[in-house]
Amino acid sequence: EDKVVQSPLSLVVHEGDTVTLNCSYEVTNFRSLLWYKQEKKAPTFLFMLTSSGIEKKSGRLSSILDKKELFSILNITATQTGDSAVYLCAVGIYGGATNKLIFGTGTLLAVQP
Amino acid sequence: KAGVTQTPRYLIKTRGQQVTLSCSPISGHRSVSWYQQTPGQGLQFLFEYFSETQRNKGNFPGRFSGRQFSNSRSEMNVSTLELGDSALYLCASSERTANSPLHFGNGTRLTVT
Repeated sequence: EDKVVQSPLSLVVHEGDTVTLNCSYEVTNFRSLLWYKQEKKAPTFLFMLTSSGIEKKSGRLSSILDKKELFSILNITATQTGDSAVYLCAVGIYGGATNKLIFGTGTLLAVQP
Repeated sequence: KAGVTQTPRYLIKTRGQQVTLSCSPISGHRSVSWYQQTPGQGLQFLFEYFSETQRNKGNFPGRFSGRQFSNSRSEMNVSTLELGDSALYLCASSERTANSPLHFGNGTRLTVT
């Protein structure tokens, strides 16, 4: 059975801290790994990773994928209160008729002033 | 470009009733997927439509159905509502290429009483 596991389940940090969120997976027909940020409503897209070892960066956020060990990390440096959200990891399964995401349960990040 | 639009934002129904949710994808996106989000199960894949055809279906009962129109807009229907159907229903659209991420709407919050 396909599964995506995120850790930790929740995290409380102070502004300025650096955090690392983890995502491991076991799926068939892996195509990509995606990170989303969800505040109150729609998950918003952060990164899509398809190749091992290539870091993707956007401002204070960065992510990398290890396809051999089947995991990814999301780093947030110099955290701000606006980073407080649920961070979702999803694995894209794509091939033939199949096109869907398998989601982890998310990591709830709370950044305190 | 306008994002994914879902209507209505909130719905309250009673057990046994049926409900129809609507989703308009990002312009140019022909793939529309539906996900159910609950606190206990997280985000779970319901189904995907592409070119007016259902391409994938998740592990949900037949009470959950959908369709897609020629303009790529999609509707999801749930019949004979149960209390356990209370959830946030998220629609996502994509270009349906291997490296195109899903973009989510704000969701419809369904409460079944």
